[in-house]
Amino acid sequence: NAGVTQTPKFQVLKTGQSMTLQCAQDMNHEYMSWYRQDPGMGLRLIHYSVGAGITDQGEVPNGYNVSRSTTEDFPLRLLSAAPSQTSVYFCASSYLGLLDTEAFFGQGTRLTVV
Amino acid sequence: KQEVTQIPAALSVPEGENLVLNCSFTDSAIYNLQWFRQDPGKGLTSLLLIQSSQREQTSGRLNASLDKSSGRSTLYIAASQPGDSATYLCAVLFRSARQLTFGSGTQLTVLP
Repeated sequence: NAGVTQTPKFQVLKTGQSMTLQCAQDMNHEYMSWYRQDPGMGLRLIHYSVGAGITDQGEVPNGYNVSRSTTEDFPLRLLSAAPSQTSVYFCASSYLGLLDTEAFFGQGTRLTVV
Repeated sequence: KQEVTQIPAALSVPEGENLVLNCSFTDSAIYNLQWFRQDPGKGLTSLLLIQSSQREQTSGRLNASLDKSSGRSTLYIAASQPGDSATYLCAVLFRSARQLTFGSGTQLTVLP
């Protein structure tokens, strides 16, 4: 009963380093997305995907890249980490239908950039 | 720009009290609204999903209502317990956007 799995749970990076946050879901959901959660600002959408090979930008995409080569996986890449990217990152998935689309979230990755 | 607002930002109540959390949104054209619970340092757990055609949903001690015309939803928690202490988030899927828009949440503390 895995649902949405994110790795790692915690990460510390130095400014300028790159890394990939992993997200996998086993529910055959077409729609996957990445959010960041910052105090006082709620959850903001970074990137999303409506299916393999299709990605699009959300509200705060700068500094992040994504790809969707399979239905199950949706990795988020930080190309050159900056202190402003210190945040908690959440991956979510759901069916693509617009009505009964309950969203499921991973446990989050807490990233600190020093 | 569509917005979702949750007031108050924090709420503290004694155990056993019935309580209501509020969520308001700026556009009545929605597909659905979802309530989540978030424990400190954890992910979001879905509590209730209300479709645009529904007026309410119930799960155990939780009841969520939806009034699209006034742009409001409430989450009613009956007989609150210390284990209910968490942050409760409201998220709306607006018809003009494919992505969920979140409120900032209400941090609930239930005192023993």
